[in-house]
Amino acid sequence: GAGVSQSPSNKVTEKGKDVELRCDPISGHTALYWYRQSLGQGLEFLIYFQGNSAPDKSGLPSDRFSAERTGGSVSTLTIQRTQQEDSAVYLCASSFSGTSWEETQYFGPGTRLLVL
Amino acid sequence: SQQGEEDPQALSIQEGENATMNCSYKTSINNLQWYRQNSGRGLVHLILIRSNEREKHSGRLRVTLDTSKKSSSLLITASRAADTASYFCATVRVMDSNYQLIWGAGTKLIIKP
Repeated sequence: GAGVSQSPSNKVTEKGKDVELRCDPISGHTALYWYRQSLGQGLEFLIYFQGNSAPDKSGLPSDRFSAERTGGSVSTLTIQRTQQEDSAVYLCASSFSGTSWEETQYFGPGTRLLVL
Repeated sequence: SQQGEEDPQALSIQEGENATMNCSYKTSINNLQWYRQNSGRGLVHLILIRSNEREKHSGRLRVTLDTSKKSSSLLITASRAADTASYFCATVRVMDSNYQLIWGAGTKLIIKP
């Protein structure tokens, strides 16, 4: 596609419910990244995919968070039993290979999650 | 954990003035990148400076890098209302043959018309 797309753009859920966030990267991009951005804060790295595998899951805050990527394209980030502290904007980015130190990451518009 | 730290946290200037934002980091880097985030929109890559470079220009943007002080600055000359955004620096962390960006908390820039 022309750019990275994410859905939904906004999600309001009740505490304890599960949510799925979707990211559709730029076509042909091998690397995909998930970040979380709390209000007024910088980006917090969550997980990184190289193709369908995730060599770095170190940023996932707890075992309630999981992510998968299929077909080397679309990725879903799942948060189980959501808590109020999960409220944030979840950003997805993709890059061509993820193996170059000078590679630009292209970001989607984000999903704004509010847990009531 | 965040490595880059931007200052100031917020900056408000008149249109036409120059805006300078700074970023400091803790460990050695391969490169440092600056991104812009407009309200309600995603992050956009602005400029990358390599660790062996000291200064780089792109249009109205000028980035400097001082590896001895582990700091970088982003200068926007002749600011415009459209420059109102949050600006983030990101440093590269290399893990095996892959890399990830480590982000600062950002500087919120407001350009007053």
